[in-house]
Amino acid sequence: EAEVAQSPRYKITEKSQAVAFWCDPISGHATLYWYRQILGQGPELLVQFQDESVVDDSQLPKDRFSAERLKGVDSTLKIQPAELGDSAMYLCASSLAFRELFFGEGSRLTVL
Amino acid sequence: AQSVTQLDSHVSVSEGTPVLLRCNYSSSYSPSLFWYVQHPNKGLQLLLKYTSAATLVKGINGFEAEFKKSETSFHLTKPSAHMSDAAEYFCVVSRNQAGGTSYGKLTFGQGTILTVHP
Repeated sequence: EAEVAQSPRYKITEKSQAVAFWCDPISGHATLYWYRQILGQGPELLVQFQDESVVDDSQLPKDRFSAERLKGVDSTLKIQPAELGDSAMYLCASSLAFRELFFGEGSRLTVL
Repeated sequence: AQSVTQLDSHVSVSEGTPVLLRCNYSSSYSPSLFWYVQHPNKGLQLLLKYTSAATLVKGINGFEAEFKKSETSFHLTKPSAHMSDAAEYFCVVSRNQAGGTSYGKLTFGQGTILTVHP
């Protein structure tokens, strides 16, 4: 069964350091999403791509966060510099033509 | 605008007893509604979805939910809880587009943690 792949699963870093997360969506899924899930809360959309173009990044803190999907396939989410409040689970999801979202297992970030 | 309220942050049941997880929604549009489940340190898995067809929706693992427009509710139920049902459950609303074949931006509830006792 096709899955959304994410790495790393766990990342511990010190504040002010740079971190990066990678996501490989299900083959053929043109729409890719990055969500942030703070402990005890539901996921919140950070950025949505359609192929290589950003569709929605209204909730992305652009002073420190960046996301790219250069060839319209896999994607990278970067945080620089990391802050204590960035500790969360970062979830990637993909979908076929704005239909059902399939989520990866997430990347859990702890900022010390 | 759209929002979701999950009325219970924690629900505890005994194995073999019914499960009820409550969800109310608000939407300016015709909504699509979903329930997702998340096991510890795992991604989210779709349990079921409502997209304007039958109001009683059956999902995986014996779960079902009923869309009640008059009450703006979409409660999740299961007749008999199993230990493996212990997880966090999210109610999600989206704008129904193209007759339910595509969805707008998802808005998640805060989640309900289900505990199942032996």
